[in-house]
Amino acid sequence: EVQLVESGGGLVQPGGSLRLSCAASGFTFSSYAMSWVRQAPGKGLEWVSAISGSGGSTYYADSVKGRFTISRDNSKNTLYLQMNSLRAEDTAVYYCAKDFGVTIFGVVIPQYSFDYWGQGTLVTVSS
Amino acid sequence: QSALTQPASVSGSPGQSITISCTGTSSDVGSYNLVSWYQQHPGKAPKLMIYEGSKRPSGVSNRFSGSKSGNTASLTISGLQAEDEADYYCCSYAGSSTLYVFGTGTKVTVL
Repeated sequence: EVQLVESGGGLVQPGGSLRLSCAASGFTFSSYAMSWVRQAPGKGLEWVSAISGSGGSTYYADSVKGRFTISRDNSKNTLYLQMNSLRAEDTAVYYCAKDFGVTIFGVVIPQYSFDYWGQGTLVTVSS
Repeated sequence: QSALTQPASVSGSPGQSITISCTGTSSDVGSYNLVSWYQQHPGKAPKLMIYEGSKRPSGVSNRFSGSKSGNTASLTISGLQAEDEADYYCCSYAGSSTLYVFGTGTKVTVL
């Protein structure tokens, strides 16, 4: 059974830093790209960042580029999001999400969607 | 990259069909047949309902279907049931820089 468990959220002052973690299990972690998606209180979903299965390619939304860093440790089956220079508008529930992929002849073909999500971790940026 | 545009709310009676639109641009929805749809109940994580515009993951009811025309994608829920009451979000691949853009979200109410 696929499980994604986020941790590391909490209250932080504007300008501060926080590192989120997402522990994955139930699938071959290194074979799949992973993303972070956030949802501000009472608002919609916003894609934040993605990383390839190997970790060699990373992608960011314009709203977090230069402030957030996504990384992964495939030996620990863990995804990270380092968040620096935090602003009030970064307040949200942060979800990690597994990219949906179809395996054909042992190769994972991305389907450009997210088939499993964690339960989310709340980040509150406030003084 | 701006969020895709969805109606704020859609409602229908049990058994009816409803359609949720998702309007983007030629840089996202219009360029790729890579729109996905997610259902989110209050306090829960989103659930994948449709991928690649019209494909259903295993376990998703065939009452859910997706389509696309030009820069607009659509999700249709037929035979509306009480448990379909939730928020629905579309999401499109938007190229190798921005990667993904979500819709503004639609609240579906079953009357």
